[in-house]
Amino acid sequence: NAGVTQTPKFRVLKTGQSMTLLCAQDMNHEYMYWYRQDPGMGLRLIHYSVGEGTTAKGEVPDGYNVSRLKKQNFLLGLESAAPSQTSVYFCASSYDPADSNQPQHFGDGTRLSIL
Amino acid sequence: GQQVMQIPQYQHVQEGEDFTTYCNSSTTLSNIQWYKQRPGGHPVFLIQLVKSGEVKKQKRLTFQFGEAKKNSSLHITATQTTDVGTYFCAGLGGYGQNFVFGPGTRLSVLP
Repeated sequence: NAGVTQTPKFRVLKTGQSMTLLCAQDMNHEYMYWYRQDPGMGLRLIHYSVGEGTTAKGEVPDGYNVSRLKKQNFLLGLESAAPSQTSVYFCASSYDPADSNQPQHFGDGTRLSIL
Repeated sequence: GQQVMQIPQYQHVQEGEDFTTYCNSSTTLSNIQWYKQRPGGHPVFLIQLVKSGEVKKQKRLTFQFGEAKKNSSLHITATQTTDVGTYFCAGLGGYGQNFVFGPGTRLSVLP
């Protein structure tokens, strides 16, 4: 039972470099989310998707792009990394959150440092 | 936009003492979820509350949803060292497709 898998687990980038974080889920969930977690600030939603081919902005979308070409995958891209994007990134997936008892399942996170 | 606040930010207790964290939303919620994150880990779902005034129990944990569906609480009776971690509430607005997380309460339990 893989659940939600994030790759890579760690990455160090230089300012201005680009990279893509990968998220894959095997639970046939419609909804997928990308969060960033910074000390004392909880989880802040970057972008999310309610189904294959759809994406929407969350609370802190600037500097990030996403794609959901396949239902099981949700990609987060940083086009030009900045030190302010140093954070731990979590991907999550779920069924419709408005339905009863539909938890979000989280991956193990990607620790990203921008120098 | 919707904001979710939690207090306290940190709580240090002696093992065996009780612990409570409070969650408040700026808007009425359709439902609220609680998660626990161990140090170095990822958030893990604990429970979801949907009905006004709802109370749910999981062993030593008691969860409440306020009558106005704008606040919630998590109470742990007789804490144990295994309770260490950060507890997050996450609220879903009436027409929302995504949950807004509170900043969390970090619990330390001294043996």
